[in-house]
Amino acid sequence: AQSVSQHNHHVILSEAASLELGCNYSYGGTVNLFWYVQYPGQHLQLLLKYFSGDPLVKGIKGFEAEFIKSKFSFNLRKPSVQWSDTAEYFCAVNADNYGQNFVFGPGTRLSVLP
Amino acid sequence: EAGVAQSPRYKIIEKRQSVAFWCNPISGHATLYWYQQILGQGPKLLIQFQNNGVVDDSQLPKDRFSAERLKGVDSTLKIQPAKLEDSAVYLCASSFTGEGTDTQYFGPGTRLTVL
Repeated sequence: AQSVSQHNHHVILSEAASLELGCNYSYGGTVNLFWYVQYPGQHLQLLLKYFSGDPLVKGIKGFEAEFIKSKFSFNLRKPSVQWSDTAEYFCAVNADNYGQNFVFGPGTRLSVLP
Repeated sequence: EAGVAQSPRYKIIEKRQSVAFWCNPISGHATLYWYQQILGQGPKLLIQFQNNGVVDDSQLPKDRFSAERLKGVDSTLKIQPAKLEDSAVYLCASSFTGEGTDTQYFGPGTRLTVL
């Protein structure tokens, strides 16, 4: 069974700092990769996803993620964070093109200080 | 477009009682998911429906949990009897096709506390 790990439980940054959140997965085959975000008091929502093509994926609000197959990684980045990026970030992996076995990581809480 | 609706938003029960959660997915979405999110963890998939059929319930504790999606639209998740370790947020999500690349849209969740 696949598993997803996220490197940091809680990250604290100042505004304008650069962000990188790590995500690694354990499945060796073809995968679909997602980053979801949960802002305080809001629903989980999709930030970006990768399933084929250019391994550098751009999402909403200036976020991007890079799929590195050899490292089983899908790290999330943003060059300059804002206070409004304070949220919980979840990496998720699906290793079945029929959508089954969807596995979320434990999440990383990001706090951005004004 | 209306989002995924869930009710109730909060529920407090005592152990050994039963509880039910309701979910109405986005109109036209064929696939419906129920997740359990324990505090400090990521969501864990409990069951996935494609229309009114179950495609994955491998992580559903079937001795106490049950779910149905009659008519392929809204769904109910039931716990009977509840245990202390069932305290969690229960999330419902839906997607258009259920394919592996499809985006899931989440509801607000139901926070269950079992005393």
